[in-house]
Amino acid sequence: NAGVTQTPKFRILKIGQSMTLQCAQDMNHNYMYWYRQDPGMGLKLIYYSVGAGITDKGEVPNGYNVSRSTTEDFPLRLELAAPSQTSVYFCASSYKQGSSYEQYFGPGTRLTVT
Amino acid sequence: QQQVKQSPQSLIVQKGGISIINCAYENTAFDYFPWYQQFPGKGPALLIAIRPDVSEKKEGRFTISFNKSAKQFSLHIMDSQPGDSATYFCAASRETSGSRLTFGEGTQLTVNP
Repeated sequence: NAGVTQTPKFRILKIGQSMTLQCAQDMNHNYMYWYRQDPGMGLKLIYYSVGAGITDKGEVPNGYNVSRSTTEDFPLRLELAAPSQTSVYFCASSYKQGSSYEQYFGPGTRLTVT
Repeated sequence: QQQVKQSPQSLIVQKGGISIINCAYENTAFDYFPWYQQFPGKGPALLIAIRPDVSEKKEGRFTISFNKSAKQFSLHIMDSQPGDSATYFCAASRETSGSRLTFGEGTQLTVNP
């Protein structure tokens, strides 16, 4: 199993450009998440999904959109990129096993908006 | 509203020493408290987790202590090793939230040889 994969690893965007961060998992997990990580701020939840066709906002959804057409894929769309979106983005997935909801994280995408 | 507060922000420990990282939470509905470990350039990975029906959980050199009345929990790393140098995040969630995690700010641990 590849686990959770993310592409691209790095990206530089100009202000106002748009892009899609790709995330895929091959573990048949129903839950998927997008986080952003800023220095000294921990991980903030952007959007999450409890299954194909179902998405919901997290703590910091403004400026982002998601879709979940399949169990495997959960792309994150940035429209009109702003410098405040410079961050490291992590995708994660999970399923309930006993009392654990262990989340499996991808390697991250480092995005710079200039 | 910051629901999980973590301290210290950074920690330097000598090899063989004990590393202690503390977290406090506000939401009494939280019922799952994991710790994640993150190495530079990698995504976080689950290290150890606890439910509030126990006060302590130990896995090898890693122990979680949980104080429900104080709404606090901590990670203890015994016999700290240079390979433990990483960023550690505490988190909390409640079962009815679909396993959404609220993370602390993170602690950068450095273990000197």
